[in-house]
Amino acid sequence: SQELEQSPQSLIVQEGKNLTINCTSSKTLYGLYWYKQKYGEGLIFLMMLQKGGEEKSHEKITAKLDEKKQQSSLHITASQPSHAGIYLCGAYRTMNYGGSQGNLIFGKGTKLSVKP
Amino acid sequence: DGGITQSPKYLFRKEGQNVTLSCEQNLNHDAMYWYRQDPGQGLRLIYYSQIVNDFQKGDIAEGYSVSREKKESFPLTVTSAQKNPTAFYLCASRLGTGVYEQYFGPGTRLTVT
Repeated sequence: SQELEQSPQSLIVQEGKNLTINCTSSKTLYGLYWYKQKYGEGLIFLMMLQKGGEEKSHEKITAKLDEKKQQSSLHITASQPSHAGIYLCGAYRTMNYGGSQGNLIFGKGTKLSVKP
Repeated sequence: DGGITQSPKYLFRKEGQNVTLSCEQNLNHDAMYWYRQDPGQGLRLIYYSQIVNDFQKGDIAEGYSVSREKKESFPLTVTSAQKNPTAFYLCASRLGTGVYEQYFGPGTRLTVT
């Protein structure tokens, strides 16, 4: 099974509505990254969370890392057509004892469409 | 402006030919990464480099090769041994291998026929 699960896989919302995307890990999260991608383009970095309970905002997008550090949610307030795209979460996976070296693994993404 | 550049944006090759994808960064990052993105599969790590003249295999390194002769450059060669080379390739970099912000380039779409 996928180590990092995103839900929903796709989402269609009316402009102005709020929405939430979830990212759930099968392991403790030491670093959680959120990206946005337009089709055929690179990933745009949105924010990175490290501590349980941490919450960060980028314009109308807010992400939170839950206390138990195995899930993150991305919330968009008053969605706009410019929010449409694919949202990907990435988790930091340690490669050594102490965690000073690691790579990112990614979920499969959530495709968001915003209807005007 | 600091960032990561990849060239070209689109690349077409005949089966059996090797092809090299370019990745350059001016962020002064030590760590660089190559990912492959296929529809429905998310991003998969091909190779990564923590420092100049050093690199390690990722999860799907077979059929690929890299070099890291300069800090700002991390080219990826897709060899004829790669069975399914058609994909979207993304380069990324981080300040170090710890929990730092990771940035991506615009990607190269490779089509092999």
